Amino acid sequence: DQQVKQNSPSLSVQEGRISILNCDYTNSMFDYFLWYKKYPAEGPTFLISISSIKDKNEDGRFTVFLNKSAKHLSLHIVPSQPGDSAVYFCAANRGSTLGRLYFGRGTQLTVWP
Amino acid sequence: DTAVSQTPKYLVTQMGNDKSIKCEQNLGHDTMYWYKQDSKKFLKIMFSYNNKELIINETVPNRFSPKSPDKAHLNLHINSLELGDSAVYFCASSQGMSFQPQHFGDGTRLSIL
Repeated sequence: DQQVKQNSPSLSVQEGRISILNCDYTNSMFDYFLWYKKYPAEGPTFLISISSIKDKNEDGRFTVFLNKSAKHLSLHIVPSQPGDSAVYFCAANRGSTLGRLYFGRGTQLTVWP
Repeated sequence: DTAVSQTPKYLVTQMGNDKSIKCEQNLGHDTMYWYKQDSKKFLKIMFSYNNKELIINETVPNRFSPKSPDKAHLNLHINSLELGDSAVYFCASSQGMSFQPQHFGDGTRLSIL
């Protein structure tokens, strides 16, 4: 049963524009959410996280928004750069599950010049 | 100065063999994990250890046996390899188990002939 879903397998954005990556989840008990970036032949790299007590968290060009009522989160990248081209994974965790992360299938972001 | 390192990066072997994958982290974290990324690209947790104690043991065949000699190491031994074991295996670590990002190694691509 897939509890974290990324319904867009790919996204193409022009350099300098905003990239918006979306993620939905089904388990209302999730209370911590993360975004990872992955390049080919490398492991996922942690980007940014948000706990369920917040609805927004920013780190430089990256902002994550959480809408608990819709069970939806999104990652905004502004401005997008060609080096941002990678697969982005959304992940969620319930504090009581001792570190068990549930991952989405990922979205391939391509930023073109 | 790699934070989470796995060896080997690639492993090609025949059905029925026994193999091990090693993982080491130099982040000073107390929790380590093994994840499997299957052909559909889903990352799923297999095991986690906190201070050398097994915490998570997902529904994984008992041919898979993790071993944590100390907090900085978590190895994965696989007996009697099967075709379905072909996947990329990722090691990760975190400080604590809740509300903490996990940091991943670059993965071990296991191919069973």
